[in-house]
Amino acid sequence: NAGVTQTPKFRILKIGQSMTLQCAQDMNHNYMYWYRQDPGMGLKLIYYSVGAGITDKGEVPNGYNVSRSTTEDFPLRLELAAPSQTSVYFCASSYIGENQPQHFGDGTRLSIL
Amino acid sequence: GNSVTQMEGPVTLSEEAFLTINCTYTATGYPSLFWYVQYPGEGLQLLLKATKADDKGSNKGFEATYRKETTSFHLEKGSVQVSDSAVYFCALTDGVTGGGNKLTFGTGTQLKVEL
Repeated sequence: NAGVTQTPKFRILKIGQSMTLQCAQDMNHNYMYWYRQDPGMGLKLIYYSVGAGITDKGEVPNGYNVSRSTTEDFPLRLELAAPSQTSVYFCASSYIGENQPQHFGDGTRLSIL
Repeated sequence: GNSVTQMEGPVTLSEEAFLTINCTYTATGYPSLFWYVQYPGEGLQLLLKATKADDKGSNKGFEATYRKETTSFHLEKGSVQVSDSAVYFCALTDGVTGGGNKLTFGTGTQLKVEL
């Protein structure tokens, strides 16, 4: 059971570089999410999607972009990496419905130097 | 807006001790409440949930009751084990139909259980 798969697990970027964090789920979930986790701060929602072709901003979207061309994939793009984007990034997915739990990937640890 | 407040950690207990992690919330509408657990180096996993007032969620010996009158969802376990050492997150969804089921998280409480 793969669930939610994130790649890469670790990455170091230089300031100004760009990269894409990959996320794929094999549970046929309509909803997908990107969070960042900073020490002592809990998780903050970056972007989310309720289905292919539909995305919307979360609480902290600045500096990020997303796309959702298929149900399975939800990549997160950093265009101009900044030190403030050093964090652990989690992708999650869920079925439709307000009570449905979210299923999380193992995270991508990103450092920007 | 919605918010979740958790007791600060770390919480250090001896094995077989009783655990309480406090969680209170502020929300409009009719939120669903969740506890997630994060083991070292892993993503979050659902521990339990409650979807309406007075519901009790339970799993693996953990329990939490949705108290609307006190806007609380405290996590309890009668006898903790070393394997329960992890970070615990309280969270809510705002219950808005079509709202994307977005979660608002507390800051997390680290639990350390010692022999």
